[in-house]
Formats: sequence, structure tokens, C-alpha cells
Amino acid sequence: AQSVTQLDSHVSVSEGTPVLLRCNYSSSYSPSLFWYVQHPNKGLQLLLKYTSAATLVKGINGFEAEFKKSETSFHLTKPSAHMSDAAEYFCVSPLKGAGSYQLTFGKGTKLSVIP
Amino acid sequence: NAGVTQTPKFQVLKTGQSMTLQCAQDMNHNSMYWYRQDPGMGLRLIYYSASEGTTDKGEVPNGYNVSRLNKREFSLRLESAAPSQTSVYFCASSDTGASGNTIYFGEGSWLTVV
Repeated sequence: AQSVTQLDSHVSVSEGTPVLLRCNYSSSYSPSLFWYVQHPNKGLQLLLKYTSAATLVKGINGFEAEFKKSETSFHLTKPSAHMSDAAEYFCVSPLKGAGSYQLTFGKGTKLSVIP
Repeated sequence: NAGVTQTPKFQVLKTGQSMTLQCAQDMNHNSMYWYRQDPGMGLRLIYYSASEGTTDKGEVPNGYNVSRLNKREFSLRLESAAPSQTSVYFCASSDTGASGNTIYFGEGSWLTVV
């Protein structure tokens, strides 16, 4: 079964510095992978997704992620953090179920941005 | 453009009471889902419905029932609420449930069982 592991439960960066949120996946085949963001007391919003096309995926708000099969990683990056980036981020992969795919969530990484 | 709408947003229940969380989507999606979110646990799937007329258990179905009322609506019922069901509940929907399809989430329902 496919699963994802987010390596950091909390990341803290200064405003204007780069962001790196790490995610490793385990699978015997090339997966689809997603990053979702959740702002406080809000629902989840899709940041970007990888679906076996280009390995470098660009998302909203300046985020991007690179799928590296050799490292089984799908890390999320942004060159320069903004205060509005403070949120919780989830690395997610689909898991085949009966007639549908369900999402398997990592445990989340809380990003703090220091002014 | 409403997307996925959940009601109620906040609810406090006493142990043993029942309640139903309502969810509706206006994107003509086939698949709908209920998740719960607990601190440090990510989101865990309770039940899902791949298409109208079908429902299946997810990772944590105990204590819950669901009804896919029609293509738009997917409700989650707690028959006898327990404190362990205190959580944030998210309804979601997607087009065909294929692995690459985006899943859209509602804003969440905060449930406290005392």
C-alpha cells in the first residue's frame, strides 16, 4: 500500500527566506501526489499535484514541488516565505479503494513565518 | 460558486445524543467523502461514496453511518455520540475518483461531545 511520511511536524522560517517542507512516499509504482494547505480554522486547498507528467510541478502562491523517484521524495519549496504562508501543509497520496481512490494524508507540517 | 458546503459549522453534543452532518456539492461530482481531523493525525477517511447509490467504509467508520441521498448530498450520522468523536469533520468531493483527480473540501464542521 502506498503511504506518505512528512519528515517535520513543525518548520519555522523568517519572512523572505526559503521554505522547504519534506515528504517521502513509499510505493511500488509511480504515484499521483498532492500538497494541500490548511489555514487556521479553514478547509483544505490544493496547492499542487503530480500526475506522472513533468517532475517539477508549479502550484499556487509561488510554491513548487519536485518528484524524485530515486529518492522517493516530493518536497515542497518556495523561494521566499510570506507571512500569509503560515499554515499547515499536508502531503497526500491516493489509495485505491472499491470503485474509487481515497486520499492518504501525511500527519502534516505546521509552517510558522517569523516577521 | 459554493463548491462543497457543510452544515452545521459548530455543534456541541452530550454523550449519547445523535446528530447528522449535512454535505452538498454543486460541481456534479460522482465521488464524495467524509474525513475527520484530529491533532497530529492528519485527516482520516470515515466513509466514502464512489457514486450515487454506493457507500463504503474508510479507515475509521465505527460509530458512524452515511447516506448518499442523491448525487449532490452525502450526510454523516452519529447515532450515539461519544467524547472520542470530538473532532473536526470535513466533507469532500471529486469527479470520478481517479487517482489524479483533485478532491475539493468543505470548510469543516467542529464537533464537541461532552
